[in-house]
Amino acid sequence: DAGVIQSPRHEVTEMGQEVTLRCKPISGHDYLFWYRQTMMRGLELLIYFNNNVPIDDSGMPEDRFSAKMPNASFSTLKIQPSEPRDSAVYFCASSFGAETQYFGPGTRLLVL
Amino acid sequence: KQEVTQIPAALSVPEGENLVLNCSFTDSAIYNLQWFRQDPGKGLTSLLLIQSSQREQTSGRLNASLDKSSGRSTLYIAASQPGDSATYLCAAYGGATNKLIFGTGTLLAVQP
Repeated sequence: DAGVIQSPRHEVTEMGQEVTLRCKPISGHDYLFWYRQTMMRGLELLIYFNNNVPIDDSGMPEDRFSAKMPNASFSTLKIQPSEPRDSAVYFCASSFGAETQYFGPGTRLLVL
Repeated sequence: KQEVTQIPAALSVPEGENLVLNCSFTDSAIYNLQWFRQDPGKGLTSLLLIQSSQREQTSGRLNASLDKSSGRSTLYIAASQPGDSATYLCAAYGGATNKLIFGTGTLLAVQP
């Protein structure tokens, strides 16, 4: 398996623009997680899905953030409108049950 | 609310030395405790997962222990090598939040 795939790897955008991050989990995994990592706050869980259903989105910072998982092999995290404080590395991870989470390489987002 | 703390924040050791990284958590009702490695600019790589019913797990030169009653876990690295240089994160899964809560990490530098 290729592991968790994220795209794009890098994104530079201007404040106010819409940003869409994409994730393909490992085949067969039933959990998908979106994390954000910053120097100030470390690694934070934004939202997670179980069998494509959002279970807990309490970590989503604001209504500007939304996530979807239309099928078992694809998820998106959207920020609209983006702000400079959204600059961070966004990771997607997947797991089977409560076992080891496998992380993607991350998307480095810079909002100018 | 689960809080995970890692000490020290940074550690520098000469090659060949054995070392211990510490992790503490406040909510002992965890399902498992996971150790990850993160290289600069990369995603997280799972190293070891200890179930709540286990005391330790070993993989090669790595040994992780878990003491739920005291809310502590340690990662022991034997005969350290420069290639071990990375940030090591522990994460507690379960408890009241039923999420993976990460510590802030220990930045390890192994000097050749």
